[in-house]
Amino acid sequence: SAVISQKPSRDICQRGTSLTIQCQVDSQVTMMFWYRQQPGQSLTLIATANQGSEATYESGFVIDKFPISRPNLTFSTLTVSNMSPEDSSIYLCSVRLAGEYGANVLTFGAGSRLTVL
Amino acid sequence: AQKITQTQPGMFVQEKEAVTLDCTYDTSDPSYGLFWYKQPSSGEMIFLIYQGSYDQQNATEGRYSLNFQKARKSANLVISASQLGDSAMYFCAMRESDDYKLSFGAGTTVTVRA
Repeated sequence: SAVISQKPSRDICQRGTSLTIQCQVDSQVTMMFWYRQQPGQSLTLIATANQGSEATYESGFVIDKFPISRPNLTFSTLTVSNMSPEDSSIYLCSVRLAGEYGANVLTFGAGSRLTVL
Repeated sequence: AQKITQTQPGMFVQEKEAVTLDCTYDTSDPSYGLFWYKQPSSGEMIFLIYQGSYDQQNATEGRYSLNFQKARKSANLVISASQLGDSAMYFCAMRESDDYKLSFGAGTTVTVRA
């Protein structure tokens, strides 16, 4: 199965700053997603990262706050802009992999745990 | 409306015993998939088991089995012979039709006692 690397694994950030999270996959994947998990909560989809075009954002998430890049089929970045304490969350990259269950399973990176002071 | 409902915020289970985690779902789509993921304290999401809406048999993966009751729209996870390493948060999730996005339930924290 593919290996998904996320950087940073954790960070402590100051209010008003921005941070970019990287997601690197060791094989080409068609679909990549970014999720947010606020403390004690479930996962919420932020957006679908589209290769070569603008990301598709879910309701409640906007490009100005969460700009996403996906320059190729193995790499994506998520930026959390102008951070506030409410942005303290685990941010997870996930990819759709072909495999035993066909293309049905989403595999997740280890997550990036951000704390905003 | 909530698509995935997990009503058990937390459960305790004795080591070597079985535990059942409840999950109900809501969809009008005839084609969907149901997933269970495990999230240890480290934060990573580990895929456990998958059940397709057209699958005739209940899914099993080692100590994990999925009790799929389509008419009741439930997809309960059964962990047999619990181990200390099973202590984690467990999420039920659903994919609808050809959309690969997942909707997650609130999760259930499982604590295995020695």
